[in-house]
Amino acid sequence: GAVVSQHPSRVICKSGTSVKIECRSLDFQATTMFWYRQFPKKSLMLMATSNEGSKATYEQGVEKDKFLINHASLTLSTLTVTSAHPEDSSFYICSANLVGYYGYTFGSGTRLTVV
Amino acid sequence: GEDVEQSLFLSVREGDSSVINCTYTDSSSTYLYWYKQEPGAGLQLLTYIFSNMDMKQDQRLTVLLNKKDKHLSLRIADTQTGDSAIYFCAERRSGGGADGLTFGKGTHLIIQP
Repeated sequence: GAVVSQHPSRVICKSGTSVKIECRSLDFQATTMFWYRQFPKKSLMLMATSNEGSKATYEQGVEKDKFLINHASLTLSTLTVTSAHPEDSSFYICSANLVGYYGYTFGSGTRLTVV
Repeated sequence: GEDVEQSLFLSVREGDSSVINCTYTDSSSTYLYWYKQEPGAGLQLLTYIFSNMDMKQDQRLTVLLNKKDKHLSLRIADTQTGDSAIYFCAERRSGGGADGLTFGKGTHLIIQP
């Protein structure tokens, strides 16, 4: 149980366009999901906490207008990178935790390349 | 400095034990985790430990926690080639359910034949 599915796994887009990444909890409901960004040879950095039915909570330094988060249902959170630039190229990973389960389950990640 | 620190590389011979170390700074950490990441993949939860525990063992994995020194270690017994990956230490700082994790930079475990 506690599977998180993330799509797409890899995307290449042109500068100035927007890209949407989906994160789904497949066999449980997640009122809270988390979005991380991973740079090469760096740790995962928490970008924001996605809350079902309310606004996301962004970490310091993360532009909320650039990284739009929508958590419209208990099983789906989306991250939209707006007006993408090459410096947004990175590996984005979502996660969620099942209530009563202390571990956090991660999606398989999305490799975004902006050209 | 970094909140969670790990050495970047560890090289061991196949069959030996691997010990990956991690230090953290926040004494309010309630849960500490070890995740495994293989190339191009997401993170796989290996194990976790409550802050009120000293040791936890699960098959080949042993986690030791020294709260006084804020030091966490992961021991992998009988290391195999399939254990080659990046191992992340992570902490969760409060008891609430809506907290993300703070990760170290990861230790790349290299297995020598």
